[in-house]
Amino acid sequence: IVMTQSPATLSVSPGEGATLSCRASQNLSSHLAWYQQKPGQAPSLLIYGASTRAPGVPARFCGSGSGTDFTLTISSLQSGDSAIYYCQQYNNWPPITFGQGTRLDIK
Amino acid sequence: EVQLVESGGDLVQPGGSLRVSCVGSGFTFSNYAMTWVRQAPGKGLEWVSTISGSGDEPFYADSVQGRFTIARDNSQNTLFLQMNSLRAEDTALYFCARVPLDTDNSGWTFDLWGQGTLVTVSS
Repeated sequence: IVMTQSPATLSVSPGEGATLSCRASQNLSSHLAWYQQKPGQAPSLLIYGASTRAPGVPARFCGSGSGTDFTLTISSLQSGDSAIYYCQQYNNWPPITFGQGTRLDIK
Repeated sequence: EVQLVESGGDLVQPGGSLRVSCVGSGFTFSNYAMTWVRQAPGKGLEWVSTISGSGDEPFYADSVQGRFTIARDNSQNTLFLQMNSLRAEDTALYFCARVPLDTDNSGWTFDLWGQGTLVTVSS
């Protein structure tokens, strides 16, 4: 299953919102996760089941979608949200596959 | 503290072998499936291999099938990745990651990550 994320890069001002997209080449039902990777750090799980926030993830992060089209919406952006965001499918594996990532810059 | 700590990364010549390790602490290691994910310099994430908690069910990406072997020693809370016939394209930061206990709910996702160990394949 090929995962395609868009846009590749997104630049947003603090306080604004951002919408990140992830499209799968096959139906995933809701078996999709989102990760955040800050510079120099390991990824961290944000969302699983397409829309369920992982423990400790702020409500500003909202996942939606099912089937082949998914969205990660982040509201009230802060400088600390600057990161690369990856989607990951686990509907039909192996292999588990990731999208190529969306770089989010807050400036 | 709940954590994963990788080690063993090194500079290796093409065709060579290397074993990297990951020690888990702060949780019951044997209850969890574990995974290796790698990230080439400046690139995205690539799933490499997953192993069940008992160690009897390994899964591999096509890119490493037949060259890499995942294993675990639950008595030592340690995950391994034995890498043989290494290629330049295997150069990456290798992360170990934990699969949540309740995969029916959380799915085959990765809820705890180490900081990675760097493997460089070059002559």
